[in-house]
Amino acid sequence: NAGVTQTPKFQVLKTGQSMTLQCAQDMNHNSMYWYRQDPGMGLRLIYYSASEGTTDKGEVPNGYNVSRLNKREFSLRLESAAPSQTSVYFCASTRVALSNQPQHFGDGTRLSIL
Amino acid sequence: DAKTTQPNSMESNEEEPVHLPCNHSTISGTDYIHWYRQLPSQGPEYVIHGLTSNVNNRMASLAIAEDRKSSTLILHRATLRDAAVYYCILPGGGADGLTFGKGTHLIIQP
Repeated sequence: NAGVTQTPKFQVLKTGQSMTLQCAQDMNHNSMYWYRQDPGMGLRLIYYSASEGTTDKGEVPNGYNVSRLNKREFSLRLESAAPSQTSVYFCASTRVALSNQPQHFGDGTRLSIL
Repeated sequence: DAKTTQPNSMESNEEEPVHLPCNHSTISGTDYIHWYRQLPSQGPEYVIHGLTSNVNNRMASLAIAEDRKSSTLILHRATLRDAAVYYCILPGGGADGLTFGKGTHLIIQP
């Protein structure tokens, strides 16, 4: 049982390049999330998907787009990467988006924008 | 999410119990108390959660004050692998994610 799988684990981009971060979960969870974590800081929510077919902005959505491809997969796209987007990106999922449900996190994608 | 307050860091010895405090004086009656931890270079890991009663699982225990304005995560016998940042979070409910503060950096001495 893999849980939440993120690819790639590491990536270096040049300013202006685009890329898509992939996330898949095998726990049949309905809700999925994308967070970013800057050095020495807590995680901040970028986008979330309460259920298949829905997506909503979180605290820091500027410069990102998401796609909930199906129930398992939730991707994050950087259309034109900027150095300020250098961060570690975590995907998470939960069975249903209620306050008594734990979230399960992937191991992250470490992204550097030069 | 309601606000929580945790010490920036704590230090303990291996094989001893660790009590990690969290204050949440503005907690509402329906707020669950969650604890997560983040080991170096890993994603956050769910530890435990509760509403009113004390909770135990294989990883830890959660002691909740009677007025629910504070709680304590208890690691019964710390190991070096427990060295991590521990986050106390009160999820707001709904699909709005978790609000991570800076947490408590737990240092375990051998």
